[in-house]
Amino acid sequence: GQQVMQIPQYQHVQEGEDFTTYCNSSTTLSNIQWYKQRPGGHPVFLIQLVKSGEVKKQKRLTFQFGEAKKNSSLHITATQTTDVGTYFCAGPGMDSSYKLIFGSGTRLLVRP
Amino acid sequence: EADIYQTPRYLVIGTGKKITLECSQTMGHDKMYWYQQDPGMELHLIHYSYGVNSTEKGDLSSESTVSRIRTEHFPLTLESARPSHTSQYLCATSPSGNTIYFGEGSWLTVV
Repeated sequence: GQQVMQIPQYQHVQEGEDFTTYCNSSTTLSNIQWYKQRPGGHPVFLIQLVKSGEVKKQKRLTFQFGEAKKNSSLHITATQTTDVGTYFCAGPGMDSSYKLIFGSGTRLLVRP
Repeated sequence: EADIYQTPRYLVIGTGKKITLECSQTMGHDKMYWYQQDPGMELHLIHYSYGVNSTEKGDLSSESTVSRIRTEHFPLTLESARPSHTSQYLCATSPSGNTIYFGEGSWLTVV
């Protein structure tokens, strides 16, 4: 079945270091979305990428959608303690575009 | 942020009890979802709805049931709770089926 995998599962960085999480889908996606979940909280939508090779930036966050539309990455420059949380990518399901299939998530911990 | 209300937020119940987790939204979104998530783990879709009188099972097998009699209301019911049902249950909505907005979740503990 359709799978969306993320690596790494965990990342522990020193504040100020950069961080990257990678998302890989077993199928081509029409779009990919990223969500952030703070500890004890609920996932919050960050961004959606639609076009092949698309790159979007939100302050220190850079999102990229692969040329084949099967992979994506989120890069955080100069991490801060406020970046702590789990980052999920998600893409539409093959059998229904209304179903969102979430990746396994990458948990980011930032040492102050 | 979307206006999605989940009750109760925290609940501890005994094995065998029936429980209904409430979810309400005020945006008029057609699509609604229930996800189950253990702490720090993946999100698993257990039920979804495209609109009134439409409900479908998700990818994760669940002993729960849902109903969608009104657009704004999507309750989830466990007829007989078991310790294996202990988890966080997240209700979500979407206007288009793409971007999803989550409620704050209901933490269920079955003892």
